[in-house]
Amino acid sequence: NAGVTQTPKFQVLKTGQSMTLQCAQDMNHEYMSWYRQDPGMGLRLIHYSVGAGITDQGEVPNGYNVSRSTTEDFPLRLLSAAPSQTSVYFCASSYSHRGADSPLHFGNGTRLTVT
Amino acid sequence: SQQGEEDPQALSIQEGENATMNCSYKTSINNLQWYRQNSGRGLVHLILIRSNEREKHSGRLRVTLDTSKKSSSLLITASRAADTASYFCATDNGNNRLAFGKGNQVVVIP
Repeated sequence: NAGVTQTPKFQVLKTGQSMTLQCAQDMNHEYMSWYRQDPGMGLRLIHYSVGAGITDQGEVPNGYNVSRSTTEDFPLRLLSAAPSQTSVYFCASSYSHRGADSPLHFGNGTRLTVT
Repeated sequence: SQQGEEDPQALSIQEGENATMNCSYKTSINNLQWYRQNSGRGLVHLILIRSNEREKHSGRLRVTLDTSKKSSSLLITASRAADTASYFCATDNGNNRLAFGKGNQVVVIP
C-alpha cells in the first residue's frame, strides 16, 4: 500500500515563483490536511479538507491555496513564494471526516527552500 | 495555536532504560494522540487516548491522561536505539483540527 504520497521530495524556488505541492492518498480517506514544520515551532496546520469539494483554513493559511476535486488528491499551491515559506511540508489524511478523532497518516514530506 | 507542550524537550538515555515524556495542554480535549518522527521522515501515529480514558498500552508504550491536570505522559520501556526519534503530542479540541506540540527529541545511546 502506498498510503500518502507527496511529490516532489525537494524543491528550490526563487522569491515570487509559484508551484504546487502534490499529495495523493489511496486509502479512501475523507479527511486530508497540510502542515508545515519549522525548527522550534512544531507542526502548524495550513489548510484541511473534510471531503471532496470542501476545504477550510488552518492556523497559518496566508500565501497558500488548496482545492479538493477528488477524494484522493489534495494539492497545495504557493502563488508567489516568499523566503518565509521555506519549510518542510507534510500532507496527512484520516479515515474520519472529522480528522482529529482518528489517527493521521503522514506522507514523508516536501522540503522547500525559497531564495 | 499550539496546544500540547512536551517536556522535557530533549532526553538522552542508555539503551534498556525507560524514557518518560510529558505533554501539557490548555483547553479541554476530546482526545490526545502521540506520534513519532524519525529523522527526515513523516510522523507515525503511536497511540490515541480519549478524554474518558486514563491509561492505554501498546507494546512497550504506555500513555496516561489526567484531564484534571490537563497533562499526558508517554512511557517507553526498555528503550532501544531504534526508539531514537522526536515524539509529539497532539490534541483534538473538537474543531476538526489536530494541534501539535513542538516535540521532544529522544536519543537512545547503544
